[in-house]
Amino acid sequence: DQQVKQNSPSLSVQEGRISILNCDYTNSMFDYFLWYKKYPAEGPTFLISISSIKDKNEDGRFTVFLNKSAKHLSLHIVPSQPGDSAVYFCAASAHTGGFKTIFGAGTRLFVKA
Amino acid sequence: EADIYQTPRYLVIGTGKKITLECSQTMGHDKMYWYQQDPGMELHLIHYSYGVNSTEKGDLSSESTVSRIRTEHFPLTLESARPSHTSQYLCASSPDSYGYTFGSGTRLTVV
Repeated sequence: DQQVKQNSPSLSVQEGRISILNCDYTNSMFDYFLWYKKYPAEGPTFLISISSIKDKNEDGRFTVFLNKSAKHLSLHIVPSQPGDSAVYFCAASAHTGGFKTIFGAGTRLFVKA
Repeated sequence: EADIYQTPRYLVIGTGKKITLECSQTMGHDKMYWYQQDPGMELHLIHYSYGVNSTEKGDLSSESTVSRIRTEHFPLTLESARPSHTSQYLCASSPDSYGYTFGSGTRLTVV
């Protein structure tokens, strides 16, 4: 049973345009959400996060939106750059002790120059 | 510089061999994790530890074992490697439930 779903395995975007990566979750206990970026042959690196008490968090070109009622979050990258080409993992966790972070399957983003 | 290190980066090994994947972190994190990832699939948690002498199995059943004798060290061992163990293994650590720092991973191929 996938608790964190990234339904788009890949996304292709032109340089300079907006990239929107989507993520859905099923467990209402999740109260913290993260996005990780992964290049080939490297481990994932933390990109941006959002607490369930917020509906938006922005860091430079990256913005994460959270819609708790829809159990949906999205990552917006504006403007997209070729260096953003990577696999993006959505992850969710809960504040209660002992709860592990659950990762989605990832979306591979291609930014074309 | 605080970091998390995994060795080897790549390993090709024959069926039946015993292997140990190393993971060390210099951040003093109590929590450490092993994830397994196949291409295009989720990261599956196979083992985790919340401190020295504490280890638990994760959500995905694995024939591997782990140990946590020191805070900084969390090795994963396969007693008898099989082709089905071919995958990427990612080690991570965190000071809490959220902020994971991942190593570069070990890509294991069992032939």
